[in-house]
Amino acid sequence: LAKTTQPISMDSYEGQEVNITCSHNNIATNDYITWYQQFPSQGPRFIIQGYKTKVTNEVASLFIPADRKSSTLSLPRVSLSDTAVYYCLVGAGNAGNNRKLIWGLGTSLGVNP
Amino acid sequence: DSGVTQTPKHLITATGQRVTLRCSPRSGDLSVYWYQQSLDQGLQFLIQYYNGEERAKGNILERFSAQQFPDLHSELNLSSLELGDSALYFCASSVGLAGSTDTQYFGPGTRLTVL
Repeated sequence: LAKTTQPISMDSYEGQEVNITCSHNNIATNDYITWYQQFPSQGPRFIIQGYKTKVTNEVASLFIPADRKSSTLSLPRVSLSDTAVYYCLVGAGNAGNNRKLIWGLGTSLGVNP
Repeated sequence: DSGVTQTPKHLITATGQRVTLRCSPRSGDLSVYWYQQSLDQGLQFLIQYYNGEERAKGNILERFSAQQFPDLHSELNLSSLELGDSALYFCASSVGLAGSTDTQYFGPGTRLTVL
């Protein structure tokens, strides 16, 4: 089972780029990597998902090296509203029984003015 | 608004009691997931149902059980409650079976307090 490791917390300032790295040394061949954002007392919200190389959407970019043992979520020009907990999720991409969706402990990002 | 609804929003009960949490998935979603989130343990995956059948199991205690009904809503039953069961319980839904590649949409959660 793929276990993930993320920094517990990070601090940044408005307008800066923030990179959050997640380690998943035991990632399986069919595992995808997904990042979610969570505000206090709210459910997590999907940010981005990838399998390899680089994925970009209107919110963030996700960088995945060739060995796929880590991934980096990049948030360009953060604002105060980006203050949240960010989760790295690694799980199986195929249907089947007993798959486990293993969530990291999350990275608490604080954005300062 | 994710389209996932959960009731009740808050629940306060005593140790030893039993409670039922309810979740209605987004229209068209067949998978329902249950998660527990407490302050010291982050987000813990409990169980997943797909179209009425159990598909994946996480760290769900034997005192907890869940089911998904023909109309696709789901219920999480927690029994013999202990103080440590106090937490936020989230329900999420997705379209398909492959949980990791499907986007999960989370409900607002049920805050359970066990006194």
